[in-house]
Amino acid sequence: DAKTTQPPSMDCAEGRAANLPCNHSTISGNEYVYWYRQIHSQGPQYIIHGLKNNETNEMASLIITEDRKSSTLILPHATLRDTAVYYCIVRGPMDSNYQLIWGAGTKLIIKP
Amino acid sequence: SQTIHQWPATLVQPVGSPLSLECTVEGTSNPNLYWYRQAAGRGLQLLFYSVGIGQISSEVPQNLSASRPQDRQFILSSKKLLLSDSGFYLCAWSAWDTQYFGPGTRLTVL
Repeated sequence: DAKTTQPPSMDCAEGRAANLPCNHSTISGNEYVYWYRQIHSQGPQYIIHGLKNNETNEMASLIITEDRKSSTLILPHATLRDTAVYYCIVRGPMDSNYQLIWGAGTKLIIKP
Repeated sequence: SQTIHQWPATLVQPVGSPLSLECTVEGTSNPNLYWYRQAAGRGLQLLFYSVGIGQISSEVPQNLSASRPQDRQFILSSKKLLLSDSGFYLCAWSAWDTQYFGPGTRLTVL
């Protein structure tokens, strides 16, 4: 079973910041939070991951709460091409070969 | 840079027919390789993973099998397809901890 909870859908205006929440209240100390997105009929695209510190790359920022029970993915200036299903995933430990346990994700729709 | 290929992109097969889907990775050596299946509107389900040539671990019992004949080649097979095998099949690779996905194969079993 997925270890994360996400809202099923969200809307965001083009040019605004999109903030996607994720709850992972049962996360273990050695488990990472990963974010992927999947545009319709394509393979998932890696976005960002983190353990406990906030992370930023060219695509997005990841904010993880101090207790690590939730996180937020931020797309700073959303474009129409950011419309996709966004998956928040807790990655298993090395002895599970880093298995990713996927939920249903959040369908993000960017509106002009 | 690394590239992952899957083929075919789409496939329509009759029930009871065999299946062979191929995945190859370029630009890396000794990757971990993964096969996932995605049902419509759902998240991904891990089917198989491999940490080296000839080493396959199965996560879900089913009529599918996987093989890794070469370091950067991963094959998903079935001797007799079922209707329930329809779905979107994704191959992924990782060099350490982050997985990167191929474009996928959409399989329809009729």
